[in-house]
Amino acid sequence: DQQVKQNSPSLSVQEGRISILNCDYTNSMFDYFLWYKKYPAEGPTFLISISSIKDKNEDGRFTVFLNKSAKHLSLHIVPSQPGDSAVYFCAASAQGAQKLVFGQGTRLTINP
Amino acid sequence: DAMVIQNPRYQVTQFGKPVTLSCSQTLNHNVMYWYQQKSSQAPKLLFHYYDKDFNNEADTPDNFQSRRPNTSFCFLDIRSPGLGDAAMYLCATSRGGQGNTEAFFGQGTRLTVV
Repeated sequence: DQQVKQNSPSLSVQEGRISILNCDYTNSMFDYFLWYKKYPAEGPTFLISISSIKDKNEDGRFTVFLNKSAKHLSLHIVPSQPGDSAVYFCAASAQGAQKLVFGQGTRLTINP
Repeated sequence: DAMVIQNPRYQVTQFGKPVTLSCSQTLNHNVMYWYQQKSSQAPKLLFHYYDKDFNNEADTPDNFQSRRPNTSFCFLDIRSPGLGDAAMYLCATSRGGQGNTEAFFGQGTRLTVV
């Protein structure tokens, strides 16, 4: 039972344009959401997070949007840069659960 | 100044031969996790420790065990590795306690079973 789903295995975007990565979840107990970035042969690194009390969080080129009614979140990267090419994982946790549930990841490729 | 360190980065083991993966942290975090990630799949939580309290996921096979002798170290023991256990194993830590915090990951250990 996949509680966190990233339905696009891959995404290709031109340098300078906006990248939009999507994530859906099914567990209504989730109240904290995170995006991680992963390069080959490395562990995931934390990128940005959002609490369920917010619908938007911004950090430089990265913005995460949360739509609780649709159980959907998205990560916007603008402008996209070649160094953004990586696998992006969406993750979620429920208050007090002390553990993250991950999606399958989306491989983002930024083309020059 | 690596904060979560996994050793080794690559491990080759024989089918059925016990193997131990190690993880250490310099963050003094309360929680340590072990995730298994197979190619193109989501990282799957095997178990985690909150301080000394061990929390096993319901679907983690008995073949997988863990030890946390102190705050800094956590080990993953695979008692009899099968071909299906070949994967990337990720260790992570988080502060724990009230509120939500992110998890910090090590670089992972790529396990090959031959």
